[in-house]
Amino acid sequence: QLQLQESGPGLVKPSETLSLTCTVSGGSISSSSYYWAWIRQPPGKGLEWIGTLYYDGNTYYNPSLKSRVTISIDTSKNQFSLKLSSVTAADTAVYYCARGNYGDYESLDSWGQGTLVTVSS
Amino acid sequence: DIQMTQSPSSLSASVGDRVTITCRASQSISSYLNWYQQKPGKAPKLLIYAASSLQSGVPSRFSGSGSGTDFTLTISSLQPADFATYSCQQSYSTPFTFGPGTKVDIK
Repeated sequence: QLQLQESGPGLVKPSETLSLTCTVSGGSISSSSYYWAWIRQPPGKGLEWIGTLYYDGNTYYNPSLKSRVTISIDTSKNQFSLKLSSVTAADTAVYYCARGNYGDYESLDSWGQGTLVTVSS
Repeated sequence: DIQMTQSPSSLSASVGDRVTITCRASQSISSYLNWYQQKPGKAPKLLIYAASSLQSGVPSRFSGSGSGTDFTLTISSLQPADFATYSCQQSYSTPFTFGPGTKVDIK
């Protein structure tokens, strides 16, 4: 049973960098059958794609956030991470990590429980 | 970016009702359309992928149809566990985008 778990600070000051880690258990993060993604949801709003990590280590970032986002992988720990720099109150959201399945039209078939990050001084 | 819209934005229904939710893409996405269910305080859950394929473990009362730009999610007989928000998502081109959601609540 695949499980994803987000971890990181729940409170970040404006202009600082938000850092989150997603730990994957029950499956390998290096499998070529899947990709890994970060998605966020501001309170009371819809879901926004932040970026994607492919099995070969390549990344894709949403152009709306590209200048501030870095996604990286640590295969030794079966983890991948998100860094979002120069945060503002608009970055307050629940952040989810998820697995995308190439075999199922790249749908997101497993999600972490999500972690609320509040940007405030 | 491909824009996704949904209608209605919310609906009230009773247990046993047949419910249909519509999703429209701003350009053709073939069958690269997925549906998710989200309950308050919980992560989204995949229901339907590739427009009409039922995810493993999802009850058969859920079904999806459509291709190109117009898609529907149907719940054939609404159950108490189905009161939630439903969102569509296109996985045709990056950035993958979501619809704004349709909230289904109890009449």
